[in-house]
Amino acid sequence: DGGITQSPKYLFRKEGQNVTLSCEQNLNHDAMYWYRQDPGQGLRLIYYSQIVNDFQKGDIAEGYSVSREKKESFPLTVTSAQKNPTAFYLCASRGAGTVIANTGELFFGEGSRLTVL
Amino acid sequence: AQSVTQPDIHITVSEGASLELRCNYSYGATPYLFWYVQSPGQGLQLLLKYFSGDTLVQGIKGFEAEFKRSQSSFNLRKPSVHWSDAAEYFCARSYNNNDMRFGAGTRLTVKP
Repeated sequence: DGGITQSPKYLFRKEGQNVTLSCEQNLNHDAMYWYRQDPGQGLRLIYYSQIVNDFQKGDIAEGYSVSREKKESFPLTVTSAQKNPTAFYLCASRGAGTVIANTGELFFGEGSRLTVL
Repeated sequence: AQSVTQPDIHITVSEGASLELRCNYSYGATPYLFWYVQSPGQGLQLLLKYFSGDTLVQGIKGFEAEFKRSQSSFNLRKPSVHWSDAAEYFCARSYNNNDMRFGAGTRLTVKP
């Protein structure tokens, strides 16, 4: 079945370590997104990519990095520069939508919970 | 600034009662608006979306939403809530640069 797979589901990290969260989709979607979710703050956009080898910063990109070498994959690295990385991270993808651009909905993965020890 | 506002952080309703969750958006010509639902520890699932045409939109699980341009609102409604509707609900808006912005969410509790 088509969908988005995030791994790992749970991840523990020591302070000062970089970690990479995986996001893979087999929906043939062009656009992919990373959001961070904290209680009471909803979803905040970290990075998004509209096409392979291109990506844009969202509202809270500092301390994070991404790559988009393949259409199916959009990994997120949480670097040691991210001061408060403990959160729930959600990856999503989006197709071209209908005739009108930007009308397609996001399809979400199940999320990855990162805890810094 | 472009934003989506959900004024209610937490709402409690009795099972069988009607529900309305509020969403307001700021700025923009043609808004593309969405409602998503999230169960604890899970990803988000689309309930419904609006981008043109009839301002009353029907979605899954018996939900509907009405787009009101004059009030910059896109409120979600359900005539009779079920215990399984307890979850967090997010309103979202798509912008011309293809990003998607979400409100802070409304947590729904359903009383027996």
